[in-house]
Amino acid sequence: DADVTQTPRNRITKTGKRIMLECSQTKGHDRMYWYRQDPGLGLRLIYYSFDVKDINKGEISDGYSVSRQAQAKFSLSLESAIPNQTALYFCATARRGNTDTQYFGPGTRLTVL
Amino acid sequence: GDSVTQMEGPVTLSEEAFLTINCTYTATGYPSLFWYVQYPGEGLQLLLKATKADDKGSNKGFEATYRKETTSFHLEKGSVQVSDSAVYFCALSERDSNYQLIWGAGTKLIIKP
Repeated sequence: DADVTQTPRNRITKTGKRIMLECSQTKGHDRMYWYRQDPGLGLRLIYYSFDVKDINKGEISDGYSVSRQAQAKFSLSLESAIPNQTALYFCATARRGNTDTQYFGPGTRLTVL
Repeated sequence: GDSVTQMEGPVTLSEEAFLTINCTYTATGYPSLFWYVQYPGEGLQLLLKATKADDKGSNKGFEATYRKETTSFHLEKGSVQVSDSAVYFCALSERDSNYQLIWGAGTKLIIKP
């Protein structure tokens, strides 16, 4: 079984809809991250969480919100989706003290029409 | 701020060719350097890392040497295989950026049989 899972894997939605992307991990890591990947831009950090009560904005948090429901679960929400949020979204985890070695989920491809 | 610059892709090679993917960085402090690989349809995974000058990271036949004098961390492999086709990301982390990973844009590698 995969250590970091993301649901859904693919989603097509319309402008203005609320969308939630979910991430679960069985690695026991306390750090969790949400990134988006756009062609030619690499990965950009949206939000990250050091534990359930410690959530931080990343480089591009506008238009997104997150919830850390438990150590193993970290959800990303788009309150009102817009077309330029069309991207590949990745969740990642890391262990305290070794945060530069991150473990990624398979990604969610989101298309906003 | 810190940044990572990679050569643009795609890079197309024949099987058994020698590979170099260039990566240079700017950093305010003394970063650790990484190469991550993303195989088609998958999340990223750590390929190799180096934490101090002149260190050589290696894995799966790939190597990269931390060159502080040229602020570079070029990825090399002596003989590539079709299975090496993927997107390769160079990244850095350091204390001044709270050990968040700073990513290059990625370089797509295509190996033809």
